[in-house]
Amino acid sequence: SYELTQPPSVSVSPGQTATITCSGSNLGEKYISWYQQRPGQSPVVVIFQDNRRPSGIPERFSGSNSGNTATLTISGTQAMDEADYYCQAWDSSAFIFGSGTTVAVL
Amino acid sequence: QITLKESGPTVVKPTQTLTLTCTFSGFSFTTSGEWMGWVRQPPGKALEWLALIHWDDDERYSPSLRSRLTITKDTSKKEVVLKMTNMDSVDTGTYFCAHTSGGFGGLSVFDVWGQGTMVTVSS
Repeated sequence: SYELTQPPSVSVSPGQTATITCSGSNLGEKYISWYQQRPGQSPVVVIFQDNRRPSGIPERFSGSNSGNTATLTISGTQAMDEADYYCQAWDSSAFIFGSGTTVAVL
Repeated sequence: QITLKESGPTVVKPTQTLTLTCTFSGFSFTTSGEWMGWVRQPPGKALEWLALIHWDDDERYSPSLRSRLTITKDTSKKEVVLKMTNMDSVDTGTYFCAHTSGGFGGLSVFDVWGQGTMVTVSS
């Protein structure tokens, strides 16, 4: 079955750039969504179709996808961005979520 | 504005069948490309997709759990129901109702989520 691999954690200083990767075989051929999940809350989509932002999501969130790796970038990271982030793809008629990355803003 | 709310038991016994209900509002669920479904999350672990149902009753399931799942809807009641048979301790977790747009496929996105409901499997 298809797997999406993410680093368990990423640390970033306030105002700096956080980069979260999601790896999978030929991932660039699939569309990727990214979800933010703050502690105790439901997930919220921050990026869909690789690089599109839903209305209401700050411009500091951006995405890219090429080769075997998709990337979520948070520019000018704020304390409120501290959360778990999950990538998601569609493969063989199933939705696959990544293992999740905890972003710590230190 | 679409809102989703899950309801169901907080505790089920091993081997029992879990029945969860998602009550939705803010949309009619009659638009092609709209699906409703379920995603779960064991404590401290990743999200896992379970099932989706289309407005025309087309059903799709996670291949690994297909044999245990049934998803149905009652549009007049604005409800989507998930049944999961033969519950086990590994099924303990938070179960989220979710709305997707973009059809069923690579363009799909889970764009609205319920608050989730915690289910513990214990004797």
